[in-house]
Amino acid sequence: TQLLEQSPQFLSIQEGENLTVYCNSSSVFSSLQWYRQEPGEGPVLLVTVVTGGEVKKLKRLTFQFGDARKDSSLHITAAQTGDTGLYLCAGVSGTASKLTFGTGTRLQVTL
Amino acid sequence: DAGVTQSPTHLIKTRGQQVTLRCSPKSGHDTVSWYQQALGQGPQFIFQYYEEEERQRGNFPDRFSGHQFPNYSSELNVNALLLGDSALYLCASSGWAGGWQPQHFGDGTRLSIL
Repeated sequence: TQLLEQSPQFLSIQEGENLTVYCNSSSVFSSLQWYRQEPGEGPVLLVTVVTGGEVKKLKRLTFQFGDARKDSSLHITAAQTGDTGLYLCAGVSGTASKLTFGTGTRLQVTL
Repeated sequence: DAGVTQSPTHLIKTRGQQVTLRCSPKSGHDTVSWYQQALGQGPQFIFQYYEEEERQRGNFPDRFSGHQFPNYSSELNVNALLLGDSALYLCASSGWAGGWQPQHFGDGTRLSIL
């Protein structure tokens, strides 16, 4: 069974602070996605990383895929209240198209 | 351009009953996947339908079954409901291009079992 562990589980910070969320597994994934989910809504895709060592930037969000394609991180610079939500990583293995989701990190950003 | 739509948004059932949830995929998508998300956890893959057939299945009992129609819409059926089936049920759609395609999620059906 493939498992994706996210840390921390919960994070409460003030606006303007930086933070990093980690997603770790003992399994290799062909690609890894990061989603954000807000209460009452479905997950929304933020980014897909495919190549080991890949770094992608989306405005204040920086995503990195580990060299061995077993782990990933999400770094947010100068967090805003609009960043509040549940952050989920999800991996895809081989030719399978199902997503294996991580345990989630709930982020709360306050003024 | 309508995204993934699910119905109903909320549902309350009692133990032992049966339930059917519905999903219409995003325009242009032909593959539908279903996920179960318990409170405070990440979604768990139930199964995936393509060309009206179940293509992949997660670790869920036979009480969970599905169907895909010629117009690509899909249903999730759960029989003999248990208290532990209370969760948010998410539908995701994608295209099929011989490999992984980004999945777009609906807002889910919140199922509560009393």
